[in-house]
Formats: sequence, C-alpha cells, structure tokens
Amino acid sequence: GAVVSQHPSWVICKSGTSVKIECRSLDFQATTMFWYRQFPKQSLMLMATSNEGSKATYEQGVEKDKFLINHASLTLSTLTVTSAHPEDSSFYICSATNRQGAKGYTFGSGTRLTVV
Amino acid sequence: GDSVTQMEGPVTLSEEAFLTINCTYTATGYPSLFWYVQYPGEGLQLLLKATKADDKGSNKGFEATYRKETTSFHLEKGSVQVSDSAVYFCALSANTDKLIFGTGTRLQVFP
Repeated sequence: GAVVSQHPSWVICKSGTSVKIECRSLDFQATTMFWYRQFPKQSLMLMATSNEGSKATYEQGVEKDKFLINHASLTLSTLTVTSAHPEDSSFYICSATNRQGAKGYTFGSGTRLTVV
Repeated sequence: GDSVTQMEGPVTLSEEAFLTINCTYTATGYPSLFWYVQYPGEGLQLLLKATKADDKGSNKGFEATYRKETTSFHLEKGSVQVSDSAVYFCALSANTDKLIFGTGTRLQVFP
C-alpha cells in the first residue's frame, strides 16, 4: 500500500531558529500534499495544500512567510517553520494523495515540534 | 460550507462492549466519507471508507454505512478491545482534494 514517511518524528529547537520537516511518498507519486497542525486533544487543522511544482495554497490565518512549504518533486514536500516561537510548538502531520484510481490519502506519522 | 460533526468524547467502554461513534456531515454533491484512527503519538491511519450512498466500509471489525438520507456515517464495532483505544476521526472529501475532519472522538477501552 501507499506509504508516506515523515521526518523527523520529533524535534526540539530554540526560539528564533528554523526547523524543516520532510514528507516523502515512498511508493507513489504524490501530486498533492497537505500539511496539518494538531493541537493537544484537538482535531487536525489544515494549514496548506501543495501541488508539485507550484506554490502552496495556504488556509486563512496561516502565515505563509512563517510556514514555508516546498513541493519540488512528486515524492517530497517540506515544511519549514521559520523563526520558531514557543507558540509554534505542536504536532505537524503531512498527507499525500495522487490521482490514480480512487481517492486516497496517506498520512505521515507526524512530527512533534517543541520550541524552547 | 462542507462540515463534519462527531459526537464528543471521551467514550469509555469495557472490553467486549458494543461501540457506536456518531458522525453526520454537510456537503454539496456526493462526498466520499472516511474514518481515520490515531493512536497516541502517531499520525492518522485510514480505518475505512465509503464513496457512495449505501456503501458499507469495514475493516478490523469496524463498520460504517454511508447513509445519504440521514447524512450519516456512524462507526460501529460489535466487541471492542483494549487495543482499540485511540482517537477516531470522521472525515469527508467533496469536490476538492481537501479532507475535512470532525473534531475527533477519544475511545478508552478498559479490561
């Protein structure tokens, strides 16, 4: 089945630094990738949608200059949290889909970001 | 706009009890419906899905039937196990590629 690898699974960084999270589709071409943020005991909030080779589409209220998304290939998307602050601490999850066959969304295992 | 409403948790059950987690939706057109499960500290895993009215999705003893007349997709399992303890998300996908999630329902199963 489809597999999405997300890395790192957890990261601790200092305030003011930037952190990059990678999301790779291992056995399929991900034409679209999604980035979510999940607060403790809450649902997933869609941050942005990225299509390979084009700029990401951000949801309302999400700062595109703070959360940089790159989807340079059909198997890799990255989310960079720039100038991180403690309020950026959260669980970030990526999801990928392709257009072959029935719709399917495969999720990464998530990244726990802690900013100190 | 499109939306998903789930029953609030936590749902606390004893092992081998019957489980129902309610999910209703609002959408234009004919959405696909999904149930995802999230175990502690992990990402989401697809549990089951249904793409058209009256379809029944099933997996690992869980079932959900796409009911267009009641706009519902309730999750059921006849006999839960401790290992089923997790958060369950109902979701839909309508005319776009986006998945719209419910708020999630935490299930706690005790031996």
